[in-house]
Amino acid sequence: DADVTQTPRNRITKTGKRIMLECSQTKGHDRMYWYRQDPGLGLRLIYYSFDVKDINKGEISDGYSVSRQAQAKFSLSLESAIPNQTALYFCATSDGLGRGSNQPQHFGDGTRLSIL
Amino acid sequence: DQQVKQNSPSLSVQEGRISILNCDYTNSMFDYFLWYKKYPAEGPTFLISISSIKDKNEDGRFTVFLNKSAKHLSLHIVPSQPGDSAVYFCAASASGSARQLTFGSGTQLTVLP
Repeated sequence: DADVTQTPRNRITKTGKRIMLECSQTKGHDRMYWYRQDPGLGLRLIYYSFDVKDINKGEISDGYSVSRQAQAKFSLSLESAIPNQTALYFCATSDGLGRGSNQPQHFGDGTRLSIL
Repeated sequence: DQQVKQNSPSLSVQEGRISILNCDYTNSMFDYFLWYKKYPAEGPTFLISISSIKDKNEDGRFTVFLNKSAKHLSLHIVPSQPGDSAVYFCAASASGSARQLTFGSGTQLTVLP
């Protein structure tokens, strides 16, 4: 089983719909992240969470919200989807070991989201 | 304003030869750098990292070099294998940014048999 699991893997929906992408992890990491990837661009950070009560906006948080339901679960919501939110979305986790520590992030396999 | 740039979208190399992937950055506060490899339909996989206190880090066939004065890092793969064909992303973080990663746009490496 994957350490970082994203559901669904693919989703097609219409403009204006509410969508939730889910992420769960078995790595025991306290930090979780949501990124989006667009063609020809690198991954851009949407939101990140250092623990259940610590949620922070990333570079491109407008139009998105998140919920950290437990240490192992971090969901991303699009309240009213628009076509330019069509992208590949990745969840990642890392071990905290202190706020400024150097630890690599470990990624799920992504959710391909298409908004018509 | 891209703070991490990978100027080569693609690179082709013959099996057994060296692959050199390059990355430039503009933010002098970055002090930790990583390389990730990504296969189609999978998430990025961590490959190797380097702290700014070093100029080289080696792990098997993979070596990362950091030139702080030039704000440049490179990933060397020797020898290259067909299974290395993937998109490679460099990423950087700064200690004052809660370790948020800033990614480059990626380089598609193709290793020809």
